[in-house]
Parts: sequence; C-alpha cells; structure tokens
Amino acid sequence: EAQVTQNPRYLITVTGKKLTVTCSQNMNHEYMSWYRQDPGLGLRQIYYSMNVEVTDKGDVPEGYKVSRKEKRNFPLILESPSPNQTSLYFCASRVGLAVYNEQFFGPGTRLTVL
Amino acid sequence: GENVEQHPSTLSVQEGDSAVIKCTYSDSASNYFPWYKQELGKRPQLIIDIRSNVGEKKDQRIAVTLNKTAKHFSLHITETQPEDSAVYFCAGGTGGGADGLTFGKGTHLIIQP
Repeated sequence: EAQVTQNPRYLITVTGKKLTVTCSQNMNHEYMSWYRQDPGLGLRQIYYSMNVEVTDKGDVPEGYKVSRKEKRNFPLILESPSPNQTSLYFCASRVGLAVYNEQFFGPGTRLTVL
Repeated sequence: GENVEQHPSTLSVQEGDSAVIKCTYSDSASNYFPWYKQELGKRPQLIIDIRSNVGEKKDQRIAVTLNKTAKHFSLHITETQPEDSAVYFCAGGTGGGADGLTFGKGTHLIIQP
C-alpha cells in the first residue's frame, strides 16, 4: 500500500530534550516536506527537500532541522524543543517537483513540549 | 511570497443546503489551487484542484471556481451531507516550482441535521 508514515504519533516531552520525528514514504517520491498545524493558523511549511541531500527552509524553520540521506526518509529534528513547538506535525510527499502533483500527507504527530 | 486568505473560518449549514468557501491569493504567478479536506483527527486529503487555465471544475457535488483577474477562488459543495463536516483548506502554488503550497487558515464546515 502506497503511504507516508510518521513515528511517533504522539509525544510528550520536556523543554530542551532533543527529539526526532521520523517520516518515511514508499512511493519513490522526490519531494518531501514538513508542516506544522496550529489552531487558526492552518498548515505552515517548516522545511522541504527536492531529493537526497537537497533541503531548504520553508516559512517557519526556526528551531528545526531536517536531513535527507535516503530518498524514502525525511526526519524532523528538534535539537532543543520549546513549548511554542507544541503542535500537530505532518510530513508530506509528492512525485517530482511540480506543485501540480498531488501531495500525500502522513497521519500526523501530535507533539507536546512541557 | 504568496499569501492566501480564507473565509469564513466557521460555516454552519443545514443538511441538504449548499456551502461556499472563499479564498483570495496575492501572488499573480500562482497558477495551481488545490482544496484539502481534513476530518477530525485525520490527515488532510486532496478533494479537488484547479489550474489557472480553467475557470471551473466539477466533481460530483463539489466544484471549484477561479477568477484570475480578481485573484480569488471558491469551493462549492451542493446537497451537503453529514460526512461533509470537516475542516477545509485552500492553497495556492506555482506549477513547476519546487516550493511548497501556501495554505489558507482553514474553514470548519458544520452540517446541521
């Protein structure tokens, strides 16, 4: 089954404790991205990647890092999480680079930073 | 960069009535406008999209219209049903570009029985 998976689905942590949210897709998609969703603010892009070893900042990259060492995986790293990073995070992927191509979202990761 | 405004933030309609959600965009270079539906606790899923070379697109009970001159586009849902209750997001992007989509803030559609 073609899908985007994320782990963990739920995470409660404390300020300053490094964490990684994994994202994996089995559709051989070139383009992957991370969004955060906050009430009243919609979906905002954090980082995106056009292919292996190619990443770039989105609209709200502060406090996040990403890597793309393999085509299928695109982990999101919070080196020192803070309470304002409490949010619902979605990974997404699409084939090719053109924005016309349908974007597939993962199931989401709900992160709480205390 | 692109800015997408979406209205209303909440829309309540009677079952069977029509619902209309409106979005405006700022970047005249944007030429691709998808709509996503997000049910409670689920991921966003594409329900319909339109490119700037057409003015309207329909898929059963849903339709999207685009006015390039005014830079606005709308989602129309006819004969609403309980399963239409969800948050709907509009988005804009430039076809061929490697940037992501810019999303509106979302509309919570409530279908009253």
